[in-house]
Amino acid sequence: DAGVIQSPRHEVTEMGQEVTLRCKPISGHDYLFWYRQTMMRGLELLIYFNNNVPIDDSGMPEDRFSAKMPNASFSTLKIQPSEPRDSAVYFCASSSGLSVSEAFFGQGTRLTVV
Amino acid sequence: SQELEQSPQSLIVQEGKNLTINCTSSKTLYGLYWYKQKYGEGLIFLMMLQKGGEEKSHEKITAKLDEKKQQSSLHITASQPSHAGIYLCGADIPSGTYKYIFGTGTRLKVLA
Repeated sequence: DAGVIQSPRHEVTEMGQEVTLRCKPISGHDYLFWYRQTMMRGLELLIYFNNNVPIDDSGMPEDRFSAKMPNASFSTLKIQPSEPRDSAVYFCASSSGLSVSEAFFGQGTRLTVV
Repeated sequence: SQELEQSPQSLIVQEGKNLTINCTSSKTLYGLYWYKQKYGEGLIFLMMLQKGGEEKSHEKITAKLDEKKQQSSLHITASQPSHAGIYLCGADIPSGTYKYIFGTGTRLKVLA
C-alpha cells in the first residue's frame, strides 16, 4: 500500500478563496483523522470519521471549515472562505483502530493563505 | 484542560552528543506516545508507553514514563544527523469520547 496520500502537497491561495484538501486513506482502515499543525498551537485534531461517518468535529475551528468522506477511500477538508490565519500544515491520518498510535499519517498539505 | 508541555522547544546538539526531551502532563495519562516528524512530512510513530515506570528502547532512542504517569522523557544516545526533526509526544485523554492531544513539539538539529 502506498500509505496515506494527500493532495496537494502545497497550496497558496488568496484570502477569500475556497480551498479543498484531499486525502486517500490506507485501504481497510476504518478511521480517518484530519489534523492541523501550526507553530503556535502545535498539532490539533479537527475532525475524525469512523466508517465514513463524522464522529467528532468539535475541533473544527469555524463554520468556514467542512469535511466530508463520501466513501471509504476519499475524504476532503474544505475551507470557504479562506483567511490568512488558516495557513498551516494539514495532516490526514488513517487507522484500523481508534488509538492514534496505530495511525499512519500522510505527508501533509502546506497551506498558505495570502 | 489537559495539556502536554514539551521541553525544550528546540535543541541544537553536536553529533555524538546525548540529549533528552521531556513531556509533562497536568493529569495522569492513559497512554503516552512519541512521534518523530521530519520537516514538512508526516508523523512517524516511535514508541508507546502505558505503565508507570515503563521504559522502551529502539535503536539509540529510549523513552521512559514516570511512576505517576504524568511525565515522559525521550533520550537519544550518540545523536546523529538522521535524528534531526521534530519530536512530538501524544496522549490519550481519559474521557467519555475519543480525545487525543499532542505536545507542541521539540525541534532537534544535529550538527555534523
